[in-house]
Amino acid sequence: GAGVSQTPSNKVTEKGKYVELRCDPISGHTALYWYRQSLGQGPEFLIYFQGTGAADDSGLPNDRFFAVRPEGSVSTLKIQRTERGDSAVYLCASSLSPGLDTQYFGPGTRLTVL
Amino acid sequence: DAKTTQPNSMESNEEEPVHLPCNHSTISGTDYIHWYRQLPSQGPEYVIHGLTSNVNNRMASLAIAEDRKSSTLILHRATLRDAAVYYCILRDFGRTGGFKTIFGAGTRLFVKA
Repeated sequence: GAGVSQTPSNKVTEKGKYVELRCDPISGHTALYWYRQSLGQGPEFLIYFQGTGAADDSGLPNDRFFAVRPEGSVSTLKIQRTERGDSAVYLCASSLSPGLDTQYFGPGTRLTVL
Repeated sequence: DAKTTQPNSMESNEEEPVHLPCNHSTISGTDYIHWYRQLPSQGPEYVIHGLTSNVNNRMASLAIAEDRKSSTLILHRATLRDAAVYYCILRDFGRTGGFKTIFGAGTRLFVKA
């Protein structure tokens, strides 16, 4: 079946602009995670959704970052007033249910802020 | 969150076994040990997980020390396709609600033909 998909695969933007990154989880997966990965580092947790609600957003670095999942399926990560330090690969993962279920990752969106 | 310590990199010859170590001396009784790997230009993928007993699946084996303060991921016959970054992660099943997953820097495995 289809895995986790993320769009766009690459996004180049200018400093100060607004960007949206989309994640389509595996159908039926109730849990959805966003991570950010800088070059040479492991993925860094940003936010976790259970259904439509953000169950843990403790990893969001500041209030420029926001994520939604209005219908409990597709999720959008929104970054306002982008900065060069936001450049990274943004990964999305989903799992059948919260807890210890295997997380299935998408290929990521590479964001470059010029 | 309990942390894990892994070597930065390891090297193996193709067709030989590989033992990837992980130290987690502050592990709690409700922490499961998970391993994921990340192939170049891809998102991480699940490899194996365990609590106390050794585990085997089609991809690998997981050997867990009796005191649970360390574990070893075993690839029985490394192939070139196994070249990846391997992450050892602790996930707490005692929590309710969110399950934040903390990745370290992992071990980069190089496989020589």
